[in-house]
Amino acid sequence: AQKVTQAQTEISVVEKEDVTLDCVYETRDTTYYLFWYKQPPSGELVFLIRRNSFDEQNEISGRYSWNFQKSTSSFNFTITASQVVDSAVYFCALNERDKIIFGKGTRLHILP
Amino acid sequence: EAGVAQSPRYKIIEKRQSVAFWCNPISGHATLYWYQQILGQGPKLLIQFQNNGVVDDSQLPKDRFSAERLKGVDSTLKIQPAKLEDSAVYLCASSLYGRAMDTQYFGPGTRLTVL
Repeated sequence: AQKVTQAQTEISVVEKEDVTLDCVYETRDTTYYLFWYKQPPSGELVFLIRRNSFDEQNEISGRYSWNFQKSTSSFNFTITASQVVDSAVYFCALNERDKIIFGKGTRLHILP
Repeated sequence: EAGVAQSPRYKIIEKRQSVAFWCNPISGHATLYWYQQILGQGPKLLIQFQNNGVVDDSQLPKDRFSAERLKGVDSTLKIQPAKLEDSAVYLCASSLYGRAMDTQYFGPGTRLTVL
């Protein structure tokens, strides 16, 4: 069985603060893929990043960074110097054997 | 490149009525997905098509939901008759081949309210 847990239901931070969104997953497979999506108020899920289970190298893209640790089955997402436009719901997802399951999401509020 | 298109964006119906949603995937994407997203939850897969064939419809309530992708391109999801608990956002997504490594790209969704 596969499972994705995003324990933080809602987070509020003041603009320019750093914030980390947690994602913990469960899988019995050795080959799998992890994703992060952003869902702004408009409703569309926007793809942010994909990671395969064999690549534990952390990734940075502008103000976004991802920390993948197989030892703790975590794939956390950090926004540095947050901005109001980062306000959205963020979903972590796990895909193994061509089946994807999403976490329940973390609603992020960036306060001006 | 055009993204995934969906229509309508919003729909309000009475319970027991019928409703249909349309999706046009990214050009060249063989795999099309329909998801249901209830408020406060992540998307839940309803049905997955590979070209015009169904790959997975295990979570589709087949007594009231149906979907087709006749020519392997666009798709229609229908609910007949609708229940109050069907109120949700219905998201369509597509990916190149439907493999675990393939990124799914989502449309803007249809927000359904059943009164």
